[in-house]
Order: sequence, then structure tokens, then C-alpha cells
Amino acid sequence: AQTVTQSQPEMSVQEAETVTLSCTYDTSESNYYLFWYKQPPSRQMILVIRQEAYKQQNATENRFSVNFQKAAKSFSLKISDSQLGDTAMYFCAFMKHEAVSGGGADGLTFGKGTHLIIQP
Amino acid sequence: ETGVTQTPRHLVMGMTNKKSLKCEQHLGHNAMYWYKQSAKKPLELMFVYNFKEQTENNSVPSRFSPECPNSSHLFLHLHTLQPEDSALYLCASSRGPVGYEQYFGPGTRLTVT
Repeated sequence: AQTVTQSQPEMSVQEAETVTLSCTYDTSESNYYLFWYKQPPSRQMILVIRQEAYKQQNATENRFSVNFQKAAKSFSLKISDSQLGDTAMYFCAFMKHEAVSGGGADGLTFGKGTHLIIQP
Repeated sequence: ETGVTQTPRHLVMGMTNKKSLKCEQHLGHNAMYWYKQSAKKPLELMFVYNFKEQTENNSVPSRFSPECPNSSHLFLHLHTLQPEDSALYLCASSRGPVGYEQYFGPGTRLTVT
């Protein structure tokens, strides 16, 4: 079974600063996908960024980028020029590349989340 | 964001009631999921459907009964729940069975009294 660990329950930074959220995972799989999701106070879960484990290049999406270290099983999220609207819970999630049952779909394994607060 | 909708948004029910949660996706996806989000716990995968077929039941108690009549609709039927079942129930969908990002609905906040 996979586990995802987010060691920072809460972080607070000033607007416009850069912040990095950490995520580590444990798996015996060699190929998989990793995601960061954002859940603002509205509770709507929103995809931030996606990384395929077989790609060495770190994914980026505007102000959001990841530092994917496969050997260390680390997948941190960097938010540059943070904005008030970035205040939210951030969840790191893991998905297997192969389905557990033949032809079936797999779900996501989530970490407990990091509550990020952007201060004005 | 109206790609995945859930109704009702809030539900209060007694332990002897029967109710249903509804999820609808307008994205043309083939896989749908139910997750449970409780306070201070990671999101827990409950059920997975791919092309209307249930492919995963993550050891969920039988008082939760899913139904997927087609690729666009997913229901979660609830009966004789316990107070510890109070949580946010999230529905999600994805384009394909593996590797695709999942899109979430806004959730149903369930309180069992």
C-alpha cells in the first residue's frame, strides 16, 4: 500500500513571498503519478499540478512548480509570488500507474494536507 | 466550476433515516469516485466506478451503497448511519481509468444525529 506524508500541518507567509510545501511518499511501484490539489475555504478541491514519475522534468504551472526527487520519494510544491487567494489546504496525492484490478480505475491516496495562510 | 455537481450540499439525517447523495459530471468522463473527508484525516477513497462498473470498494461498511446507472451519474445511498459517518463526501470523475487527473465536485456536508 502507498502512504503519503505531509509533515507541515500549517504554514504562514507574507504576500508575494515564495513558499515550499513538502510531501514524501512511500511506494514499491516504479511508475506512478503525483498530484497537488488545493482546497480553499469553499471546500472545492482544485487540481494545481500533475507529475508523471517517468518524466524527469519537474512540472510547472504558472506560479506553481514542483521539485520531484524520485530516489528520495519527495514531491514538494513551490508557490512563487504568493497571493491572498492561495490561502487554502494543499493536499499531495499519489496514483498508481497500473490499475489494481484488471481494466479498473484507481483512486488517489492523499496526505493529511498543509494549511497554507497568506498574510497581507 | 460546474463540471462536477453534487446535491444536496448539506444534509442532516438521523441514524434511522435513508437518504441518497447525487453526483453528476458534465465532462464526458468514464470513471467516477466517492471519497470521504473527515476532520484531521486524509481523504479516504470509498468507491470507484469505470464505465459504470464498480472496480473498487475500499472496505466500506454496507450501510453505504453506491449506484452508477451511467457514466455521468453516481449515487451514494445511505441507511442506518452512525454519528462517526458525519463528514464531507466528495465525488470526482476522470477521463480514463488510470493516470488522469480527477475533477472534484463541491461535496455534500453530512451530519448524522
